[in-house]
Amino acid sequence: NAGVTQTPKFQVLKTGQSMTLQCAQDMNHEYMSWYRQDPGMGLRLIHYSVGAGITDQGEVPNGYNVSRSTTEDFPLRLLSAAPSQTSVYFCASRRHRDLTYEQYFGPGTRLTVT
Amino acid sequence: AQKITQTQPGMFVQEKEAVTLDCTYDTSDQSYGLFWYKQPSSGEMIFLIYQGSYDEQNATEGRYSLNFQKARKSANLVISASQLGDSAMYFCAGGNAGGTSYGKLTFGQGTILTVHP
Repeated sequence: NAGVTQTPKFQVLKTGQSMTLQCAQDMNHEYMSWYRQDPGMGLRLIHYSVGAGITDQGEVPNGYNVSRSTTEDFPLRLLSAAPSQTSVYFCASRRHRDLTYEQYFGPGTRLTVT
Repeated sequence: AQKITQTQPGMFVQEKEAVTLDCTYDTSDQSYGLFWYKQPSSGEMIFLIYQGSYDEQNATEGRYSLNFQKARKSANLVISASQLGDSAMYFCAGGNAGGTSYGKLTFGQGTILTVHP
């Protein structure tokens, strides 16, 4: 298993540009989440999904869209990038019946908006 | 809503000694879960340990144990026999029972642990 993969690893955008951060998992996990981590801070939840076709907002959803058309993929779209969205973005997934409640995190995407 | 507080920005420990990283949580939920994650300088997030609010025993995973004190609303991580490879950022995180299931977690600000030889 590749686990949770994220592309790209690094990205630089200009203010106003849009882009999609890709996240995929090959573990057939039902639940997937997107977090952002700003310097010196903990992770904050952007959006999450409990299954294909079902998404919901987290703590900081403004400026981001998500969709989940398949179990494997959970892309995060930045609609119009702003410098405040400069951050490291983590995608995570977990299996419904896993009693350890462990989330598996991807390696992260480091995004800079100039 | 959950609030997770880690009051120690940085901690130092001598190799082979034990260290406790503090975490307090604030929630009105009756059923919730608490986690600890490790983030080395390479940036990945590594799951360490989980404790459910109804678990009667403190969780342990190898050298990691979670000192769960419900009355104090604390969920401290104890690392025994510290190793140089334990140097990293440590995050406490939590969520209500449903949110925990869905991966909907609130994270603390983290504690940087440095292990000295």
